Amino acid sequence: ETGVTQTPRHLVMGMTNKKSLKCEQHLGHNAMYWYKQSAKKPLELMFVYNFKEQTENNSVPSRFSPECPNSSHLFLHLHTLQPEDSALYLCASSQDLGATGGRYGYTFGSGTRLTVV
Amino acid sequence: QKEVEQNSGPLSVPEGAIASLNCTYSDRGSQSFFWYRQYSGKSPELIMFIYSNGDKEDGRFTAQLNKASQYVSLLIRDSQPSDSATYLCAVPPPYGGSQGNLIFGKGTKLSVKP
Repeated sequence: ETGVTQTPRHLVMGMTNKKSLKCEQHLGHNAMYWYKQSAKKPLELMFVYNFKEQTENNSVPSRFSPECPNSSHLFLHLHTLQPEDSALYLCASSQDLGATGGRYGYTFGSGTRLTVV
Repeated sequence: QKEVEQNSGPLSVPEGAIASLNCTYSDRGSQSFFWYRQYSGKSPELIMFIYSNGDKEDGRFTAQLNKASQYVSLLIRDSQPSDSATYLCAVPPPYGGSQGNLIFGKGTKLSVKP
């Protein structure tokens, strides 16, 4: 596989469930990101990891817990979510943080469409 | 507060016309600018980047940057129905490190009518 792979593609969970989203990149990138995309809102940055170290937590509620065991894998652990957390969750990677100021930008995964019931 | 503003549209153009998408940004020090295309139900894909004032052309796409006026635009010549998508403008803060994260606009929805 190439690029950025996210699983599952779709997830329906109850408010008391615990689930995890997985992201894997095969690009040799060092920075990985979680974004949330809700209808009629800009992409919202959630977490940033650079060389598997978290560099940013954008005031995300503790019911979202990221994990980055290595530079190729990123997880988002979910528990006791609310219906308003229903959204498309996108993982992205870049060569490194500085690449966003350069020419490469981000490569996005296909996203996980999350529905909280 | 850093902001990236786009007209949400929808912008409707006939097939073969030029589609013009605009984006303004608040951080005067920003250096690089990205345009992403997002088809409905899909993830964003990078289609253009620009970091110098003036125009940059890639096939039917032209990005225009005016740092003095703090706007960047995307022109699509000979628009095709397959260009119908939401176009996202993204701007990184001017400094790297932990602040080097892209800030996205809400996107402009483009519809190209056959």
